[in-house]
Amino acid sequence: DQQVKQNSPSLSVQEGRISILNCDYTNSMFDYFLWYKKYPAEGPTFLISISSIKDKNEDGRFTVFLNKSAKHLSLHIVPSQPGDSAVYFCAAIFTGGGNKLTFGTGTQLKVEL
Amino acid sequence: NAGVTQTPKFQVLKTGQSMTLQCAQDMNHNSMYWYRQDPGMGLRLIYYSASEGTTDKGEVPNGYNVSRLNKREFSLRLESAAPSQTSVYFCASRVDRLFTDTQYFGPGTRLTVL
Repeated sequence: DQQVKQNSPSLSVQEGRISILNCDYTNSMFDYFLWYKKYPAEGPTFLISISSIKDKNEDGRFTVFLNKSAKHLSLHIVPSQPGDSAVYFCAAIFTGGGNKLTFGTGTQLKVEL
Repeated sequence: NAGVTQTPKFQVLKTGQSMTLQCAQDMNHNSMYWYRQDPGMGLRLIYYSASEGTTDKGEVPNGYNVSRLNKREFSLRLESAAPSQTSVYFCASRVDRLFTDTQYFGPGTRLTVL
């Protein structure tokens, strides 16, 4: 039972354009959401997060949008750069339930020149 | 400040062998975690420790044991390795602050069980 889903295993975008990575969740108890970025042979690194009391959070080129009614969040990267090529994991947490992250399956982003 | 370190980086075991994966963090974090990453499965929580002396099961604990040796160290033990435990294992630690759930990950241990 996959509670956090990333339905696109891969995405290819041209440099300078917008990258949009999507994530859906099924557990309505989740109240905090995070995006992690992972390069090959490295551990995931935190990118950006959003609380369920917000619908948008921005950090430089990265913006996360949350639509609670649709149980959907997305990560926008503008403009995309070749160094953004990595696997992006969406994660969700119920902060009242032991602070355990539930991860999606990841989306491989490739930013082409 | 090394963050989260893991040893070894790579390991090959035969079915039935045992081994311990080591993890240490120097950020004074209370919470530590062990995950495994498999193709098409994302990261799945094996065990976690909210503080020194406590451990709890995660999503996929079967076949593993853990020890929170002290605040810095959290080890994962495979008593009798099976091919299904071939995976990449990540350790993580988390700062304990309200309204933040950022976990910091180590570089991973790639384990192959033949």
